[in-house]
Amino acid sequence: NAGVTQTPKFQVLKTGQSMTLQCAQDMNHNSMYWYRQDPGMGLRLIYYSASEGTTDKGEVPNGYNVSRLNKREFSLRLESAAPSQTSVYFCASSEVGDLVGTQYFGPGTRLTVL
Amino acid sequence: SQKIEQNSEALNIQEGKTATLTCNYTNYSPAYLQWYRQDPGRGPVFLLLIRENEKEKRKERLKVTFDTTLKQSLFHITASQPADSATYLCALDLQAGTALIFGKGTTLSVSS
Repeated sequence: NAGVTQTPKFQVLKTGQSMTLQCAQDMNHNSMYWYRQDPGMGLRLIYYSASEGTTDKGEVPNGYNVSRLNKREFSLRLESAAPSQTSVYFCASSEVGDLVGTQYFGPGTRLTVL
Repeated sequence: SQKIEQNSEALNIQEGKTATLTCNYTNYSPAYLQWYRQDPGRGPVFLLLIRENEKEKRKERLKVTFDTTLKQSLFHITASQPADSATYLCALDLQAGTALIFGKGTTLSVSS
C-alpha cells in the first residue's frame, strides 16, 4: 500500500497563476483533509471531505477550492495564487474505527508563490 | 476563545532521560486527544490516541496522560534516544471522524 500520495512535491508559481494539488489514498478511507503548515502557525485545516460527494470548509478556506473526485482522490485548487499561499500543503485521510479519527498524512507539497 | 497550546517550542534533553511534553487547551471538550510525530520535510505520523475517559495510555517507551479537569495532556518518552529527535504535535478530536485541531508542536532534541 502506498498510503497517501501527493503530487507535485515542489512547485513554484507566479502571483495570479493557478494550479491543482492532487491527493490520493489507497486505504479505502471515507474522510480526507487538506492542511497547510506555516512556521509558527502549525497545521491549519483548509477543507475536508467527510465522505464522497461532500466537502466542508475548515479554518482557512479563502483562496482555495476542493473537489472530491471519488473515494480515493481529493484535489485542492488555487485559482489565483498569492504570496500568502506560500506554504507546505498536506493531504490526510482517516476512517472511523478502532483508532477513531486517526489521520494518515501524505509527504506534502512545498509551494512557493513569487 | 478556543486555544490549544504546547508549552514550549523546543526541548533539549540528554540521551537516557525522560522527555515530558505538555499540551493544554481551553474552551474545547475533546472526545479524544492524539499525538503525532513529524520529522523535517515529512508529514506527521500518528503515535498514540487517548480517549476522554482514559487517564493513561502506553506504547513501548511512550506514555500519554489526559486530564480533562485540568484540560491537559502530558506526553512522555522514557529512555530517550537521539532517534527520538523530532517535532511532536498534539491534536484534539472533538468528534469521531471529524477534522483534528493541532497544536503548533514541540521540537525535541536528544543529545548523546
